[in-house]
Amino acid sequence: VQLVESGGAFVKPGGSLRLSCAASGFPFSDAWMSWVRQAPGKGLEWVGRIKRKTEGESTDYAAPARGRFTILRDDSKTTVYLQMNGLRTEDTGLYYCTTGPTMLQGVKGTVDYWGQGTLVTVSS
Amino acid sequence: SSDLTQPPSVSVSPGQTATITCSGGKMGALFASWYQQKPGQSPLLVIYQDNKRPSGIPERFSGSHSGNTATLTIRGTQAIDEADYYCQAWDTSSGVFGGGTRLTVL
Repeated sequence: VQLVESGGAFVKPGGSLRLSCAASGFPFSDAWMSWVRQAPGKGLEWVGRIKRKTEGESTDYAAPARGRFTILRDDSKTTVYLQMNGLRTEDTGLYYCTTGPTMLQGVKGTVDYWGQGTLVTVSS
Repeated sequence: SSDLTQPPSVSVSPGQTATITCSGGKMGALFASWYQQKPGQSPLLVIYQDNKRPSGIPERFSGSHSGNTATLTIRGTQAIDEADYYCQAWDTSSGVFGGGTRLTVL
């Protein structure tokens, strides 16, 4: 099982960035996928989630992300994306993608997969 | 600030029991998950649905939930358990984390 995030970069306030998370080793299309971030030296913060295609790829966002961030998925590429617009300095941090605790078809028990994160730095 | 409140730090001697609480209005009607995070590593799920352990998590980790408070208990705490611990509660539209607790094994 692998979740590999990419796309993190240094960007100026007001800028945009698209993060990617490439998944392998589990039935990706069966999983709800979330993004979680962690500012330097701070705690975990849930950013948002996208449900399965069979559930309309419905999305939910934390208040700080709502209206600026969009989560998308491409099951044919087993990849989830985080499009971030209007970036602010407080968006700086390590961005993880994760399945969260879940049961997946063909996988025994409850699993919880995380990537290693990709770093976003927003600064002038 | 988080809607879920955890103590910033907990200290315990090796072999003793560590207790970390997570409280807040959102916790009252929801299941809690608990994550362990060591420096430079991604979070690791240690408890889900209040009191269930994922495969591979030692039996010394347990969870409970009463009212608005969820509790992570580590019995026979070992040096390797020293880490940051986060609770998380999911509802139908969000998954908020607690502020985190640094567990120090003295």
